[in-house]
Amino acid sequence: EVQLVESGGGLIQPGGSLRLSCAASGFTVSSNCMSWVRQAPGKGLEWVSLIYSGGSTYYADSVKGRFTISRDNSKNTLYLQMNSLTAEDTAVYYCARVSALWFTPEYWGQGTLVTVSS
Amino acid sequence: QSALTQPASVSGSPGQSITISCTGTSSDVGGYNYVSWYQQHPGKAPKLMIYEVSNRPSGVSNRFSGSKSGNTASLTISGLQAEDEADYYCSSYTSSAYVFGTGTKVTVL
Repeated sequence: EVQLVESGGGLIQPGGSLRLSCAASGFTVSSNCMSWVRQAPGKGLEWVSLIYSGGSTYYADSVKGRFTISRDNSKNTLYLQMNSLTAEDTAVYYCARVSALWFTPEYWGQGTLVTVSS
Repeated sequence: QSALTQPASVSGSPGQSITISCTGTSSDVGGYNYVSWYQQHPGKAPKLMIYEVSNRPSGVSNRFSGSKSGNTASLTISGLQAEDEADYYCSSYTSSAYVFGTGTKVTVL
């Protein structure tokens, strides 16, 4: 069974850094395309980043240069390193496995809340 | 990477059919057949309901159907049920990125 469990969220001051983790089970992270999607409180979904199985990474313009997606094959875990955080980054962050056949985020974790506030 | 445009809300009575539109551009919805639809209940993660414009994952009711014409995709829910009340988001693949719709709140009257 595919499972994704995010962690690492919390309250952080503006300008600070945070690293989110997404522990996967039931499949191999490094063999799949993985993505991060966020949702600000009361708002819609916003795609953040993705990493292909080959290692290529892509980012939304809103986070480019500040966020870094990566994975640890030995831990079967996906990460999102977030730097220079602002209030606009406050959101629930979801990790998702992207279907190789359907080119769409298929399995989602339950999300972890990041709150950027002083 | 502008969000796809959806109506803010759509409502219908039990048993009725409703349709949600999703308008993008030739760079996303119109350029790819990788349009998906997600259902999200409050406090829950999104659930994939439709992929590749009109296909349903295993386990999704056949009351949900999708289509596309030009730069606009649509999700139709037939035989509306109380459990269908939720937020719905469209999504399109676009050149190593994804763009989501603005979201539509479906209310069952």
